[in-house]
Amino acid sequence: EDQVTQSPEALRLQEGESSSLNCSYTVSGLRGLFWYRQDPGKGPEFLFTLYSAGEEKEKERLKATLTKKESFLHITAPKPEDSATYLCAVQAEAAGNKLTFGGGTRVLVKP
Amino acid sequence: GAGVSQTPSNKVTEKGKYVELRCDPISGHTALYWYRQSLGQGPEFLIYFQGTGAADDSGLPNDRFFAVRPEGSVSTLKIQRTERGDSAVYLCASSLNLGKGTQYFGPGTRLLVL
Repeated sequence: EDQVTQSPEALRLQEGESSSLNCSYTVSGLRGLFWYRQDPGKGPEFLFTLYSAGEEKEKERLKATLTKKESFLHITAPKPEDSATYLCAVQAEAAGNKLTFGGGTRVLVKP
Repeated sequence: GAGVSQTPSNKVTEKGKYVELRCDPISGHTALYWYRQSLGQGPEFLIYFQGTGAADDSGLPNDRFFAVRPEGSVSTLKIQRTERGDSAVYLCASSLNLGKGTQYFGPGTRLLVL
């Protein structure tokens, strides 16, 4: 069974204090790993897709990396507007097109 | 362009009642997905459609849940004899096609069963 575990569950940062979120996964053949951002009361907003180990993608203060067992979302010099829940999901080769999500990491950036 | 839309945004019902939740995908997207998200957890897969047919309904929790997409665009998730445990946010997503297509989510319908 495909599994995704995110850590930590919650993260409190001062503005400008860089940090990393972890997403560990077990999947029978990875088709893709996805990062989403979710604000309270809203649906998940797509950030990145990573397809193979060693791949990296960046967007503003966010950088996502991928190994064969985990992915990291690095937040560099965060701002209060980066406060959100960050969700990681995997898509398995043998599981069709469905996404299996982790529980998310709630990030709060204080000014 | 317009994103995925879902109606209603909120639904309050009583235990035992029937509810319908609607999803309007991004224009041109052939694949449509339903997920359920409980408070403090990540979304859980329910069902997805390619065109009009359900390609995978393995996530539907029991036979009280049913979804249709009769014309390959709008989809309706139907829940019969609602239970308090059905209270959650129901999310819809769509993608351009199957395979590596990115799934784009709507704002969700918040269902509360009293």
